Amino acid sequence: AQSVTQPDIHITVSEGASLELRCNYSYGATPYLFWYVQSPGQGLQLLLKYFSGDTLVQGIKGFEAEFKRSQSSFNLRKPSVHWSDAAEYFCAVGGTGTASKLTFGTGTRLQVTL
Amino acid sequence: SAVISQKPSRDICQRGTSLTIQCQVDSQVTMMFWYRQQPGQSLTLIATANQGSEATYESGFVIDKFPISRPNLTFSTLTVSNMSPEDSSIYLCSGGQTSYEQYFGPGTRLTVT
Repeated sequence: AQSVTQPDIHITVSEGASLELRCNYSYGATPYLFWYVQSPGQGLQLLLKYFSGDTLVQGIKGFEAEFKRSQSSFNLRKPSVHWSDAAEYFCAVGGTGTASKLTFGTGTRLQVTL
Repeated sequence: SAVISQKPSRDICQRGTSLTIQCQVDSQVTMMFWYRQQPGQSLTLIATANQGSEATYESGFVIDKFPISRPNLTFSTLTVSNMSPEDSSIYLCSGGQTSYEQYFGPGTRLTVT
């Protein structure tokens, strides 16, 4: 069965500092990987996704993520965090079939201090 | 992409009653899903809403408790039946052409007293 682990429940960074959110997955084959962001009172917005090819994926809002098969990881990074990035971030894994389901991690809450 | 709206955005209900949540997509989508997000938790898939046929439920979720309709490619409803305080949660609808191209609605925050 597929699963996702986000080891950090809560992270606090200063505005302008760099950010890395960790995500480890378990999946029997090459996974499809996703990062979503959920602002308070909002639905989930897709930041970026990895299907295949270049292991460094660029997303919206200046985020990027790197797929490392050897470590079963898909960490999200941003070189300089803005106060508006404060939100909940979810990593998700899906299979390669069109009917495959997404499995979400438990989320990391990001707090940004000014 | 697709824009998804949900109604109501929030509600407070008494135990034993039922609430129907509506999900509207601004374009036709092949797949629609319903998730539950309990306080401080991640998203748990309730079911896949299939157009013109019965929904496909995940383990732990049953049709009698969470009946789902999907009459066309842009609309779905989820009913939370015979509610108890344990049903207090955010219910999210999503849709897309495939399961890995999902766009999410803003959610319905349900409180059961």
